[in-house]
Amino acid sequence: DTEVTQTPKHLVMGMTNKKSLKCEQHMGHRAMYWYKQKAKKPPELMFVYSYEKLSINESVPSRFSPECPNSSLLNLHLHALQPEDSALYLCASSHHFGTGAYNEQFFGPGTRLTVL
Amino acid sequence: TQLLEQSPQFLSIQEGENLTVYCNSSSVFSSLQWYRQEPGEGPVLLVTVVTGGEVKKLKRLTFQFGDARKDSSLHITAAQPGDTGLYLCAGARGKLIFGQGTELSVKP
Repeated sequence: DTEVTQTPKHLVMGMTNKKSLKCEQHMGHRAMYWYKQKAKKPPELMFVYSYEKLSINESVPSRFSPECPNSSLLNLHLHALQPEDSALYLCASSHHFGTGAYNEQFFGPGTRLTVL
Repeated sequence: TQLLEQSPQFLSIQEGENLTVYCNSSSVFSSLQWYRQEPGEGPVLLVTVVTGGEVKKLKRLTFQFGDARKDSSLHITAAQPGDTGLYLCAGARGKLIFGQGTELSVKP
């Protein structure tokens, strides 16, 4: 199994809603990532988990709350989002996090989030 | 500060033409990855280059890593409409540093 899966594919939510994005990989990777991507721009890193511990938070607002229940799963909990948070949210995984030469990241298909 | 400069940002060509996309930096990377992304989908890894001067070929795509591991290029021979998409280079320095992307459109 060489894929990263994400659910849901699309999500529309109001500014007062609470929702969660889910990501799963079964490649035995020990690093998982959340990215936010606006149309035709490169992905922007939000969070990095390494061995199920939060390693990097790129100054993301607290209305985004990541969770890594185990080495295969990564969630992103959403609460009180703003319309400008509408974007494609991508999950990725790699063998490890660090400066290793072959730490290629494999991306999921993304969740298209629209905040009304 | 943009650590990885990718050019051109937009490219519209006819089927059968050749093209080259460049990624340049003043920083050294342990590796450099190239991705292709279609609208509404996640980036798909095309190749990883690791060794300075390395050249890798993937069918009509040729990837090169600079001798100093600061720059890379992607050359596509005889482009086809199926090559249309957003091409992203990303240098590895712990986390990935992405270039701005090249939006390629190949018209039949």
